Amino acid sequence: EVQLVESGGGLIKPGGSLRLSCAASGFTFSNVWMSWVRQAPGKGLEWVGRIRSKSDGGPTDYAAPVKGRFTISRDDSKNTLYLQMNSLKTEDTAVYYCTTTIAYTSVWHNYWGQGTLVTVSS
Amino acid sequence: DVVMTQSPLSLPVTLGQPASISCRSSQSLEYSDGNTYLNWFQQRPGQSPRRLIYKVSNRDFGVPDRFSGSGSGTDFTLKITRVEAEDVGVYYCMLRTREGWTFGPGTKVEIK
Repeated sequence: EVQLVESGGGLIKPGGSLRLSCAASGFTFSNVWMSWVRQAPGKGLEWVGRIRSKSDGGPTDYAAPVKGRFTISRDDSKNTLYLQMNSLKTEDTAVYYCTTTIAYTSVWHNYWGQGTLVTVSS
Repeated sequence: DVVMTQSPLSLPVTLGQPASISCRSSQSLEYSDGNTYLNWFQQRPGQSPRRLIYKVSNRDFGVPDRFSGSGSGTDFTLKITRVEAEDVGVYYCMLRTREGWTFGPGTKVEIK
């Protein structure tokens, strides 16, 4: 069974840093692209960024509001995705989800974690 | 940058009646493989999003056949043939581009 479990959220002051993790299981993590999506309280979904599989290579892509402040990385040996968030702003307050799409017998299945809440407030 | 719009933003429906949500992108984005990566997601209250439709009209595994997607170019539609109570939630269209993903603002479906 595919599972994505986010952790690391919490209350942080503006200007601070936080690292989120997404532990993956039930599939070959190293083969897939992974993404982060966030949702501010009572608001819609906003894509944060994505990281390709090592075999595909290429740059990690970010949404404009987080570019230069957030870094997505992965540790394939630990089946874990990370989101390093620096210079946090109040507008970064959101539930952060990790998500991926995996192919099984030529059919692509999409999976999401339960999310972790980040609150940026003084 | 691509901008996605949806209408209506709020959709009160009667149980058993059809519902339709429109999604429009500011530009047409068909990949060289001939595909337009327009997806639809459902987010029930208190839950994580769930993809319903991918590449405009393909239903995800386990999604009831009362959900269907259609469209081309810049105009796309999600239809529910007969709304059930479990369909309450917010529906988002999302376009995948080479730069990343862009979501629509969401359409809140509620029962009248």
